[in-house]
Amino acid sequence: KQEVTQIPAALSVPEGENLVLNCSFTDSAIYNLQWFRQDPGKGLTSLLLIQSSQREQTSGRLNASLDKSSGRSTLYIAASQPGDSATYLCAVVARGSTLGRLYFGRGTQLTVWP
Amino acid sequence: DAGVTQSPTHLIKTRGQQVTLRCSPKSGHDTVSWYQQALGQGPQFIFQYYEEEERQRGNFPDRFSGHQFPNYSSELNVNALLLGDSALYLCASSLAGGTTNYGYTFGSGTRLTVV
Repeated sequence: KQEVTQIPAALSVPEGENLVLNCSFTDSAIYNLQWFRQDPGKGLTSLLLIQSSQREQTSGRLNASLDKSSGRSTLYIAASQPGDSATYLCAVVARGSTLGRLYFGRGTQLTVWP
Repeated sequence: DAGVTQSPTHLIKTRGQQVTLRCSPKSGHDTVSWYQQALGQGPQFIFQYYEEEERQRGNFPDRFSGHQFPNYSSELNVNALLLGDSALYLCASSLAGGTTNYGYTFGSGTRLTVV
């Protein structure tokens, strides 16, 4: 069974710092990996999607990497801002019998203070 | 281009009642999945609908059922509500079960409170 773990569970940093959020998964047979942002009580906003054949994706101040063989992904946030405060969720899309199902971690709750 | 639309936004029900949640997928998407997110947890997969059929189901009891209509919109029904069903219910749409370069698009969710 696919299990996704995110470390750290919470992070509180001053504005301007560069951050690394970690995601690990137990089964490397994935179709792709997607990072989401969730504001309190709201839905999920997609940030980056990495296909299993790719190593990284970039969007603005965000960069996500994928090492499928080791079951790891990292989300790098450059020059953090208070508006980046939210919960960041990592999810993998499974292959095989559960093709297309998203498996989520519990998220990293990020607070960026001025 | 409208994204995923869910209704209602919030709902309060009494134990034992039944509830129906609705979802309209993003334009062009043909697959709808439902997820339950308890406070402080990651979303848990309930089921996925494609071509009006339930294609996959997570570890949820039969009290949870759904439907997909010809226009790809979907409903989630929960019978005999329990206090533990209180959660944020998220709808996600995709193409071909999410196995494309475009991934999943989520709605804003329905907050269900069972009292």
